[in-house]
Amino acid sequence: GDSVTQMEGPVTLSEEAFLTINCTYTATGYPSLFWYVQYPGEGLQLLLKATKADDKGSNKGFEATYRKETTSFHLEKGSVQVSDSAVYFCALSEDSYGKLTFGQGTILTVHP
Amino acid sequence: DADVTQTPRNRITKTGKRIMLECSQTKGHDRMYWYRQDPGLGLQLIYYSFDVKDINKGEISDGYSVSRQAQAKFSLSLESAIPNQTALYFCATSDLMDQQFFGPGTRLTVL
Repeated sequence: GDSVTQMEGPVTLSEEAFLTINCTYTATGYPSLFWYVQYPGEGLQLLLKATKADDKGSNKGFEATYRKETTSFHLEKGSVQVSDSAVYFCALSEDSYGKLTFGQGTILTVHP
Repeated sequence: DADVTQTPRNRITKTGKRIMLECSQTKGHDRMYWYRQDPGLGLQLIYYSFDVKDINKGEISDGYSVSRQAQAKFSLSLESAIPNQTALYFCATSDLMDQQFFGPGTRLTVL
């Protein structure tokens, strides 16, 4: 079955540092890929998405590129802020029901 | 007002009790989902529904049941709660572009 593997956390960075959170997937077909973010005490919200190979999703300074050859969708940001502290989930969707398969989540803490 | 609401937000119950978690949405989406979140495990799908006549089991449906009372309402029930059902529960809806919109979650504790 489909699966998503994220780099283990937690990740702790200083403000303005470069961020990478690795995500790899296994799927039988050609899934859509997503990054969701969960701020403390809130539900998940979509951060960015990509629907086909070589697509780049971007939002709020975050970027991720759909790499079919390496089955990866790594999340990057050039300069993190304290307000980026949250849990980040990589996910994929491969069927007409839009069901999501999630990675285990990566906790990011950014210090001033 | 929030697009996806969940009630209650927090609930403490005892082993063996029946409990219902409710979800309502104002987004007009047909597709709705229930997930549970456990620390370090991400979110796991419990049930999903395409419309009031279409209910499907997810990967961890044992011990749970659902009811789709209307397009806007999707309830999750635990018929006889047990301690390992202690978790954070999320309801979500999705649009035709597969973007899911999540409620704020219900924190359930089973003693």
